[in-house]
Amino acid sequence: SQQGEEDPQALSIQEGENATMNCSYKTSINNLQWYRQNSGRGLVHLILIRSNEREKHSGRLRVTLDTSKKSSSLLITASRAADTASYFCAPETSGTYKYIFGTGTRLKVLA
Amino acid sequence: EAQVTQNPRYLITVTGKKLTVTCSQNMNHEYMSWYRQDPGLGLRQIYYSMNVEVTDKGDVPEGYKVSRKEKRNFPLILESPSPNQTSLYFCASSLIDGYEQYFGPGTRLTVT
Repeated sequence: SQQGEEDPQALSIQEGENATMNCSYKTSINNLQWYRQNSGRGLVHLILIRSNEREKHSGRLRVTLDTSKKSSSLLITASRAADTASYFCAPETSGTYKYIFGTGTRLKVLA
Repeated sequence: EAQVTQNPRYLITVTGKKLTVTCSQNMNHEYMSWYRQDPGLGLRQIYYSMNVEVTDKGDVPEGYKVSRKEKRNFPLILESPSPNQTSLYFCASSLIDGYEQYFGPGTRLTVT
């Protein structure tokens, strides 16, 4: 079955640097969502990008979607220690109402 | 306050003893879903519901049941829990399918 696969699995950067996480998936999608999770807590929605969109911004977040390559990226600019968390992509498979999350990217921002 | 609540938050039980994890949302959302999260496997969707009395299987439905008799509630039922169902469970809801999901705080289940 389709899965959002994040890359890298773990990322460690200094405060103020940018963080880029990538997501690949296998089949056509309706939309793709990015979520953040702090240490075993509930997930928090960050941004949704639909299949006919190529780029979206929200504050320090920038998401791109390339449906021809079946990939998406999440960029966090000017990272802060509070951005330390796991980040998940969740593509919704076309023709279904199913989401298959990946295993996530663990981001650590060092102060 | 708009929220998704789950109960209980923590549960330790024994193999074969039926249990129910409740999920409730106060946002009048149509779409609700259950996920389990396991180390190294990420989140996997168990069941979802498009609306009252409309449910369907996710990726890992075996060993679970759900019902959606009211719009706000979406309980997860384990008829005969087994140790491989030890996991962290999340309920989520969204206005309709294809919109952002709001997640509950999670239920940590241990089956011995």
